[in-house]
Amino acid sequence: DTGVSQNPRHKITKRGQNVTFRCDPISEHNRLYWYRQTLGQGPEFLTYFQNEAQLEKSRLLSDRFSAERPKGSFSTLEIQRTEQGDSAMYLCASSLGPAPYNEQFFGPGTRLTVL
Amino acid sequence: AQSVTQPDIHITVSEGASLELRCNYSYGATPYLFWYVQSPGQGLQLLLKYFSGDTLVQGIKGFEAEFKRSQSSFNLRKPSVHWSDAAEYFCAVGASGGSYIPTFGRGTSLIVHP
Repeated sequence: DTGVSQNPRHKITKRGQNVTFRCDPISEHNRLYWYRQTLGQGPEFLTYFQNEAQLEKSRLLSDRFSAERPKGSFSTLEIQRTEQGDSAMYLCASSLGPAPYNEQFFGPGTRLTVL
Repeated sequence: AQSVTQPDIHITVSEGASLELRCNYSYGATPYLFWYVQSPGQGLQLLLKYFSGDTLVQGIKGFEAEFKRSQSSFNLRKPSVHWSDAAEYFCAVGASGGSYIPTFGRGTSLIVHP
């Protein structure tokens, strides 16, 4: 069990560019969650998957944000046409079954800086 | 709608002293309540959770929390703080029905003096 991994750990981009982050959950975890954490705030739920199905995406911040989990294993979060307000830490978590009954295990996050 | 308030942005304690971090929630029914810790460069780690039953919950690393419905509170306590407890602490609330979408507080930063 190597835990939840996220890549890259840091990303610096210019406004208007597209960025993609990857999350590798703990193997055999069928639930995967994305959160955003801005400076001085707690995590904010974005979306989650059960296997490859995206079950909740109404909390994605705008249509510039999208997430996929094509084979039910790793997931990607893409932000198109980045804005300075997108600068934040993007966290991924996974759980063996549905939360909150199953603990969510969090990755270390990807810190995005938009210049 | 559910919400969480952590009124203290920073708390400073001396090593060996007791600790209490405050958390107040707003939710119409009995919520699911959680405390997480986040150390620099680390992912959030669950300290403890409350779903129902005994209102005093024991967690990892010597932490405990008490659910008080009358005060809408779920305060985190530790009798003796260690320097390694310095971190950011987050309280979270989740609805007890439907899709689980947690709401986190803004966090309390714990500073431990030697």
